[in-house]
Amino acid sequence: GESVGLHLPTLSVQEGDNSIINCAYSNSASDYFIWYKQESGKGPQFIIDIRSNMDKRQGQRVTVLLNKTVKHLSLQIAATQPGDSAVYFCAERRNAGNMLTFGGGTRLMVKP
Amino acid sequence: ETGVTQSPTHLIKTRGQQVTLRCSSQSGHNTVSWYQQALGQGPQFIFQYYREEENGRGNFPPRFSGLQFPNYSSELNVNALELDDSALYLCASSGFDRGLNTEAFFGQGTRLTVV
Repeated sequence: GESVGLHLPTLSVQEGDNSIINCAYSNSASDYFIWYKQESGKGPQFIIDIRSNMDKRQGQRVTVLLNKTVKHLSLQIAATQPGDSAVYFCAERRNAGNMLTFGGGTRLMVKP
Repeated sequence: ETGVTQSPTHLIKTRGQQVTLRCSSQSGHNTVSWYQQALGQGPQFIFQYYREEENGRGNFPPRFSGLQFPNYSSELNVNALELDDSALYLCASSGFDRGLNTEAFFGQGTRLTVV
C-alpha cells in the first residue's frame, strides 16, 4: 500500500552542526508534505510544509527539500540546538482532505 | 501552545470497557481529526469530522466512533476495549476553506492504557 517512511530511526549530531532528516514517500498522488516535531509527552508540532509544485521552502533555521523524481523529502536544521532534540515525522496529505499519513519517525539527539 | 485541548490526559481502562475521549478545537477551526499513536510509531488516522459529520475514515473497526458538536469540539468513543488499543490518542484541528484544509494543529493527546 501507499506509505511514508524514513531512512534512519536515530540521528545524533553535535550542538551547532546542521542536521538532515530524510523521508521517502511512495504515493505520487500526494501534493502536500509536512514535517512535525514531537517532544516526549506532547503532540506533534508543525514545523514546515511544502506543496508538490515547489522543491524548496525555508523557515527559521529549517529548510524542506522535495525531490519528486525520487519521491524524497528532507528536513534541514541549521545550527542544531539542544532544544531540537525530539522525534521528527514527515507526513503527506492529499488535497481532497486532511488525512495525514505519517512515517515512523526519526529521533534527533543533540550532543552538547 | 496550539489551542487544541484534550481530556483526560491519562486514562486506565479494563479490557472490554468503553471509553470516551474529548477534544476542544482551536478557535476558528471547524474540522477535527483523530489519530492513534502506538508507542514508537507515527500517528495513524482514525477519522475526521467536518460540520458534525464524518468526513473520512482510516482503517479502524466500527467500535471506534466519534461525534462533533456545533461548537466544533469532538469526542472519540471506543467500545469493547482491547489491549492493543493502548496508545496515545491525538486530536488535530484545522480549518476548511474553499475546498482545502489549513494546517492541522495537534493537542497534547490522551494516553490510554488498557489492562
